[in-house]
Amino acid sequence: DTAVSQTPKYLVTQMGNDKSIKCEQNLGHDTMYWYKQDSKKFLKIMFSYNNKELIINETVPNRFSPKSPDKAHLNLHINSLELGDSAVYFCASSPGAGGDTQYFGPGTRLTVL
Amino acid sequence: AQSVAQPEDQVNVAEGNPLTVKCTYSVSGNPYLFWYVQYPNRGLQFLLKYITGDNLVKGSYGFEAEFNKSQTSFHLKKPSALVSDSALYFCAVYPTSGGSYIPTFGRGTSLIVHP
Repeated sequence: DTAVSQTPKYLVTQMGNDKSIKCEQNLGHDTMYWYKQDSKKFLKIMFSYNNKELIINETVPNRFSPKSPDKAHLNLHINSLELGDSAVYFCASSPGAGGDTQYFGPGTRLTVL
Repeated sequence: AQSVAQPEDQVNVAEGNPLTVKCTYSVSGNPYLFWYVQYPNRGLQFLLKYITGDNLVKGSYGFEAEFNKSQTSFHLKKPSALVSDSALYFCAVYPTSGGSYIPTFGRGTSLIVHP
């Protein structure tokens, strides 16, 4: 069973489009995250939710909007996609928010043309 | 502001030799320190972490890391490298004071183990 899953695995789209990435964890964790990994492999946290409450929002453009319908799901919606949004997006979860070990999903490779 | 430095973009080592991947950090208080590994086209996997106690932490796949508070370092080590250890390694720091839960990752070090 996959602990943290993301869909889709690959996403190719045109500039200006709106797209969503979904994430689900079956570990019973309270905290979920979105990370962006750029072409140089630099990893940067974007958002974190703890028990469906937003606790981290790291100066991400407001075109990015996370939504957590329940503790097991954290989706990422991106409006008006730009070339610079091309990256690999990772979802992760952890038991709690206070420095617990994070479990990462396989990633979604977003390519904006 | 907290920061993590991995001074080497790439580390090359021959199979069977010991390896070290370096990490230094800057953060107020006593942080939690982590190492994660990323294999090609995969998500990050947890290797080990330091919270408190013994400065030498043992983790998965024979890896260990030594916490040095005076040098603010948390170097990853393995006594005998395997070709299968070739991957991208990330050091991460989590603050434990100031009410912030924001983790900071280093830029990653590519480990290449030659047969």
